[in-house]
Amino acid sequence: DGGITQSPKYLFRKEGQNVTLSCEQNLNHDAMYWYRQDPGQGLRLIYYSQIVNDFQKGDIAEGYSVSREKKESFPLTVTSAQKNPTAFYLCASSVGLNTEAFFGQGTRLTVV
Amino acid sequence: AQKITQTQPGMFVQEKEAVTLDCTYDTSDPSYGLFWYKQPSSGEMIFLIYQGSYDQQNATEGRYSLNFQKARKSANLVISASQLGDSAMYFCAMREELSGYSTLTFGKGTMLLVSP
Repeated sequence: DGGITQSPKYLFRKEGQNVTLSCEQNLNHDAMYWYRQDPGQGLRLIYYSQIVNDFQKGDIAEGYSVSREKKESFPLTVTSAQKNPTAFYLCASSVGLNTEAFFGQGTRLTVV
Repeated sequence: AQKITQTQPGMFVQEKEAVTLDCTYDTSDPSYGLFWYKQPSSGEMIFLIYQGSYDQQNATEGRYSLNFQKARKSANLVISASQLGDSAMYFCAMREELSGYSTLTFGKGTMLLVSP
């Protein structure tokens, strides 16, 4: 079955550590997105990518980094520079302007 | 300025009644897409309905319809005959193409509670 897979579902991190969230899609979509969601809040765009080896900063990119070495994969690294990383992270992909974005199940990151 | 505004933090409706969730947007791009998603407590994002900026008719998908008023930049979601399973967060989103890149921006959401 085609879809987007995010792993892990739950992640715990100590302060000062970098951590990488995985996002893989087998839908052959060009565009991929990373969002952060805080309790009771909407989704805020962190990074997005249209093609391999190219990505753009979203509204809240500080403290995060991404790579797009393969079309299928768009990992997100939460660095120690991110002051408040505890949140729910959602990855999405889409094929065009007039089609819906498909979402992964999300990763809940907690800093301990 | 916010690109997507959802002014209702929460809405209550009785089962079998209709409910309208408001969404206004802001863009200078003539070509854009509007989406509504449902997020249950499990966290998954479920696509409900899409409206293109050039579509002449309002989109409908089963019990969901989108009241698209382009001049007012409004894209309200109408749920007819509410069911208990409709209780969830609802997000309005807009896709634009800016400098060759496609972005997808979400509103802050509306929590819908359906009571028996």
